[in-house]
Amino acid sequence: DTAVSQTPKYLVTQMGNDKSIKCEQNLGHDTMYWYKQDSKKFLKIMFSYNNKELIINETVPNRFSPKSPDKAHLNLHINSLELGDSAVYFCASSQLRQGNTEAFFGQGTRLTVV
Amino acid sequence: DQQVKQNSPSLSVQEGRISILNCDYTNSMFDYFLWYKKYPAEGPTFLISISSIKDKNEDGRFTVFLNKSAKHLSLHIVPSQPGDSAVYFCAAIPYTGNQFYFGTGTSLTVIP
Repeated sequence: DTAVSQTPKYLVTQMGNDKSIKCEQNLGHDTMYWYKQDSKKFLKIMFSYNNKELIINETVPNRFSPKSPDKAHLNLHINSLELGDSAVYFCASSQLRQGNTEAFFGQGTRLTVV
Repeated sequence: DQQVKQNSPSLSVQEGRISILNCDYTNSMFDYFLWYKKYPAEGPTFLISISSIKDKNEDGRFTVFLNKSAKHLSLHIVPSQPGDSAVYFCAAIPYTGNQFYFGTGTSLTVIP
C-alpha cells in the first residue's frame, strides 16, 4: 500500500485551464503539505494543513487553493494556469513533534502548462 | 530567503570510496535535521535524521554529523555504491515544529 499517493503523475494542460491534483495519505498523520519543485530543483513549501486546518500559506498566487476534506486528503486546485506554473508538485505528510519526525512524500505530479 | 543551503549541486565519487555531502543552515531555531534521497520521477524518501542534542547518528553505511556551533551538517556514505546515485536533500525543522525547510539538493553520482 502506498503511504502517500497523489494523482495524476503527469498533467499536461493549456494556459488558462483549471486543474486539480489529489493527495491521500494512509499513515494517520495529522499534517499534510504541498511542495513545489521548480526548474532550479528547489523544494519550496506552498501549504501545510494540520487536522484540516491551514497552518502555513506561503507566498503563493491565490490561483492556488488547497482543500482538505479530511485529515487524510489534501487536494490542490489551480485556476487559470500559467506557463510559470510548470513544475513538479509533491504532496507530503508527517506527524510533527513526536520524536523521530519525518515527512513522507508522494511520487510527485509533473505539471506542464503549454 | 534560503535557510538551508547545499552549496555543492553535484558530486562524483568512485564506487567503494566515501561520499561526503554538506549542508549549512542559518536559523538557530532548527532542532531536528533530516536527509532525504530522491531518484528521478520519484518523491524524496527519508534516509537518516539527527536531533540537535546529538552530534552524530549512524545507520549502516550512512552517518550524519551535526556541528551546531558552525550550523553545519554532513552526510557520509561509506562505502559508496552505484545505487546511491541520486539527489540528496537535507532538511531542517524548527523547535516550533510547523514545517520542513529543504536545501536545494546535491546530485551524487557513484562511478562503478
